[in-house]
Amino acid sequence: NAGVTQTPKFRILKIGQSMTLQCTQDMNHNYMYWYRQDPGMGLKLIYYSVGAGITDKGEVPNGYNVSRSTTEDFPLRLELAAPSQTSVYFCASSVVSAHYTFGSGTRLTVV
Amino acid sequence: GQQVMQIPQYQHVQEGEDFTTYCNSSTTLSNIQWYKQRPGGHPVFLIQLVKSGEVKKQKRLTFQFGEAKKNSSLHITATQTTDVGTYFCAGPTGANSKLTFGKGITLSVRP
Repeated sequence: NAGVTQTPKFRILKIGQSMTLQCTQDMNHNYMYWYRQDPGMGLKLIYYSVGAGITDKGEVPNGYNVSRSTTEDFPLRLELAAPSQTSVYFCASSVVSAHYTFGSGTRLTVV
Repeated sequence: GQQVMQIPQYQHVQEGEDFTTYCNSSTTLSNIQWYKQRPGGHPVFLIQLVKSGEVKKQKRLTFQFGEAKKNSSLHITATQTTDVGTYFCAGPTGANSKLTFGKGITLSVRP
């Protein structure tokens, strides 16, 4: 099992550009999550999904969109990138009431 | 909303010293989880505690869940440089298995 795979690992975007952060898991987990991590601020939930076709907002959803067409994939879309979106993004998955498995992260810089 | 608090955010110890950190929740938790994130890495699940007063050990790490299930502790005996990283605690928030993470404590170890 590869676990949770995130691509790309690093990306530099210009202000106003758009991009999609990819996340896929091969553990047949129903639950998937997107977090951003800023220095000293811990992990903040952006969006989450409890199954294919079902998504919901987390703590900091503005400027992001998600979709969940399959159990395996949970892409995060950034529209009109802003410097405030410079961060490290982590995707995670789990089954109900169990621990999270995190991907290795995407380090995004918006300039 | 539910808060999970970890104070302080940083701690520096001499190699060989013991280290203890605490996690406090504003509400009773059904379980508490601990994760470790190495510098430049992603959070990795360490342990889950479920029962009131539960104590679990992993080599030099001892985890405890409070009797009221509102706090937890992590104790490291004789710290080593391999213990360096950020330790997060997390508890489930309402339905859908969403975890609320503390801001973490970053441990540095002087050789």
